[in-house]
Amino acid sequence: QVQLQESGPGLVKPSETLSLTCTVSGGSIRSNYWSWIRQSPGKGLEWIGKIFYSGSATYNPSLKSRVIISVDMFKNEFSLKLSSLTAADTAVYYCARDGILSTGWFDYWGRGTLVTVSS
Amino acid sequence: QPVVTQPPSASGTPGQSVTISCSGSSSNIGPNYVYWYKQAPGTAPKLLIYRNDQRPSGVPDRFSGSKSGTSASLAISGLRSEDEADYFCAAWDDSLSGLVVFGGGTKLTVL
Repeated sequence: QVQLQESGPGLVKPSETLSLTCTVSGGSIRSNYWSWIRQSPGKGLEWIGKIFYSGSATYNPSLKSRVIISVDMFKNEFSLKLSSLTAADTAVYYCARDGILSTGWFDYWGRGTLVTVSS
Repeated sequence: QPVVTQPPSASGTPGQSVTISCSGSSSNIGPNYVYWYKQAPGTAPKLLIYRNDQRPSGVPDRFSGSKSGTSASLAISGLRSEDEADYFCAAWDDSLSGLVVFGGGTKLTVL
């Protein structure tokens, strides 16, 4: 059974950079694409981007200038960096396993981690 | 950003059937697969339907998905109290450099 676990700070200051890591267990990170998705309080879901174990990444155009997603296949984990934070970036951040041929097929999710942007 | 539209709310009584719609465009739902997710309060979304109309193992056959043109639907029959949750549709969008777009979500209330 594949399991994903997000880790990182729960509170970040405005203008700083958020760093989150997703650790994958019960399966190899080489098998699929892997995505980050966020959900602002009381709002809908927003796809941030995805990465393959080779390091090839695709980002949401609305966030592309501020996002870097990287992968460490030896640690079986992938990471998110989001820079120039504002209060609008306050959200629950999820990592999820994505399809190989079809992006949007998120069959395994982490529990999510709440990130609050505040001074 | 591309838009996929869902009704904000839906409701039904136990045993009834309910349908949730998802309206997109020729750059997302039209040419690509649709996925449906169920999110209970305080939990991560759970995959309900993949590739328009396929159910993952463990998802009851009370849940069914369909797609026609640039729209998709999720049908739930034999409504149960545990079906009360938020439901989201999703699809790949071919515009710009490509991205996943989610519908705004539909809150289903079981009366």
